[in-house]
Amino acid sequence: DAGVIQSPRHEVTEMGQEVTLRCKPISGHNSLFWYRQTMMRGLELLIYFNNNVPIDDSGMPEDRFSAKMPNASFSTLKIQPSEPRDSAVYFCASRNRDRGNTIYFGEGSWLTVV
Amino acid sequence: GQNIDQPTEMTATEGAIVQINCTYQTSGFNGLFWYQQHAGEAPTFLSYNVLDGLEEKGRFSSFLSRSKGYSYLLLKELQMKDSASYLCAVMSTGKLIFGQGTTLQVKP
Repeated sequence: DAGVIQSPRHEVTEMGQEVTLRCKPISGHNSLFWYRQTMMRGLELLIYFNNNVPIDDSGMPEDRFSAKMPNASFSTLKIQPSEPRDSAVYFCASRNRDRGNTIYFGEGSWLTVV
Repeated sequence: GQNIDQPTEMTATEGAIVQINCTYQTSGFNGLFWYQQHAGEAPTFLSYNVLDGLEEKGRFSSFLSRSKGYSYLLLKELQMKDSASYLCAVMSTGKLIFGQGTTLQVKP
């Protein structure tokens, strides 16, 4: 079975540009999570969805960040405008709430904003 | 609020046993997870405890005491490939919240 798929794997962009990160959860999973990882702050939960509905976005840093999940197999995390401090690894993860609590991570999107 | 504490770094010798501790304070509790993360890679699931006691899976074991807000991950017969970051995480109100991670270095 395919795991969580994220794109792009690596992105370098200039400050002020819009960044869109994409995620395809594991088929059949009904919860999706977006995390950000930096050396300073570790792995932080940004937002999570249940059945495509955003449940908790309290971890989203500011209005420049937005996330959507238009259907069960696709989600986006958008940063507009991007800033150098947004440089981090962004992980998408998913789980099937009806089959336990284990969350599975994608390979991550490595973002550098210059 | 949520608070998860674990040591920042640990060093151990190949073939030895190492115990990584984790203490937590959360407003709700639906289980404690341990993940392994090698440098430049995604976190991968190691273990899950929701009831008190020890869960054993090969060379890895994880223990939970809910009354003490305490867990540990025990790694036996250490191998060089076990050098990685080990993340303690608590499931609370549908969210999986991670500690800062413990970087384990295994030396020959």
